[in-house]
Amino acid sequence: DTAVSQTPKYLVTQMGNDKSIKCEQNLGHDTMYWYKQDSKKFLKIMFSYNNKELIINETVPNRFSPKSPDKAHLNLHINSLELGDSAVYFCASSQDGTDYNSPLHFGNGTRLTVT
Amino acid sequence: AQSVTQLGSHVSVSEGALVLLRCNYSSSVPPYLFWYVQYPNQGLQLLLKYTSAATLVKGINGFEAEFKKSETSFHLTKPSAHMSDAAEYFCAVTTYGNNRLAFGKGNQVVVIP
Repeated sequence: DTAVSQTPKYLVTQMGNDKSIKCEQNLGHDTMYWYKQDSKKFLKIMFSYNNKELIINETVPNRFSPKSPDKAHLNLHINSLELGDSAVYFCASSQDGTDYNSPLHFGNGTRLTVT
Repeated sequence: AQSVTQLGSHVSVSEGALVLLRCNYSSSVPPYLFWYVQYPNQGLQLLLKYTSAATLVKGINGFEAEFKKSETSFHLTKPSAHMSDAAEYFCAVTTYGNNRLAFGKGNQVVVIP
């Protein structure tokens, strides 16, 4: 069983479109995250939810909107896609996001290409 | 805010040779440090972590790292590189009560047969 699964694995779309990425974790963790990895492999946190409550909202354009219907799911919707949104988006989870001892478990990523 | 610096984006090592990846941190309070590994087309996996217990930390796949406060470092080593060690390695830092993990820019390790 995959611990953190995200779909789709690849997403190719045109500028101006709206797209969603879904994430599910079966680890029973309380906290879920979205990270963006750019072409230079730099990882930056975008959002974090703890028990469906938004706890981290980094400086991300309003076009990005996370939604957590329950603590096992965290989706990412992106409106009006731009070329600069092309990246690999990783979902992750941890037992407790406020506990420094709690490691992150990552999904395999969604490679978004905007043309 | 805390941060980590990883120098040298690409590191080449011969099979069987020592793997050494450097990580220096910046933090005004005691840090908690992590190394993660990313294999091609996969997410990151935890290699090891330092959370104020033993300063020499052993992780998976024969890797270890030593926390040196005087040098603000947490370098990752493996005595003998294997072809399967080819991957991207990330150092990361957080602090007590902080819900953010700050990642370094990563090191791409290439193992030469």
